[in-house]
Amino acid sequence: EAQVTQNPRYLITVTGKKLTVTCSQNMNHEYMSWYRQDPGLGLRQIYYSMNVEVTDKGDVPEGYKVSRKEKRNFPLILESPSPNQTSLYFCASSLSGTGGGSYEQYFGPGTRLTVT
Amino acid sequence: QKEVEQNSGPLSVPEGAIASLNCTYSDRGSQSFFWYRQYSGKSPELIMSIYSNGDKEDGRFTAQLNKASQYVSLLIRDSQPSDSATYLCAVGRSGYALNFGKGTSLLVTP
Repeated sequence: EAQVTQNPRYLITVTGKKLTVTCSQNMNHEYMSWYRQDPGLGLRQIYYSMNVEVTDKGDVPEGYKVSRKEKRNFPLILESPSPNQTSLYFCASSLSGTGGGSYEQYFGPGTRLTVT
Repeated sequence: QKEVEQNSGPLSVPEGAIASLNCTYSDRGSQSFFWYRQYSGKSPELIMSIYSNGDKEDGRFTAQLNKASQYVSLLIRDSQPSDSATYLCAVGRSGYALNFGKGTSLLVTP
């Protein structure tokens, strides 16, 4: 089944304790992205990756890191989480940027993170 | 600032009626347009994409695009209670980045 997976789905942690949220897709998509979703603010892009070893900042990158060492994986790293990073996080992927249906983004199930 | 505007709702329609959801965008260079459905606590699910002016139909869903007016809409025919969700409009210029609206909450009442 074609899908984007994220782990963990739920995480409660404390301020300053490094964590990684994994994201993997099995559709051979080139593009992957991380979003956070907060009430009243909608979906905001954190980081994105056009392909292996190519990443760039989105709208709200502060406090986050990413890496893209393999095409299928795009982990999100919070090196020193703070309470304002409590949010619902989504990973998404799409095929490529060559036009037509290739821009369609498919989302993972989400990770609900609480930082106390 | 590239903006995508949606009425937050809730939009309430009776079962069997047509639900009409609207979205305006500010970036005149936008080329790709999407509608996602999101149930509470779940991930956005792509339901329609449209790239050229006019209508695109898929089952009970019709997406309409008017680039001159910078307007995209989604019509849901024969609305069902299971259609009750938040509908997100997403707009892209080129490449990959999408700008999302904050969504319209739809409530279909039996």
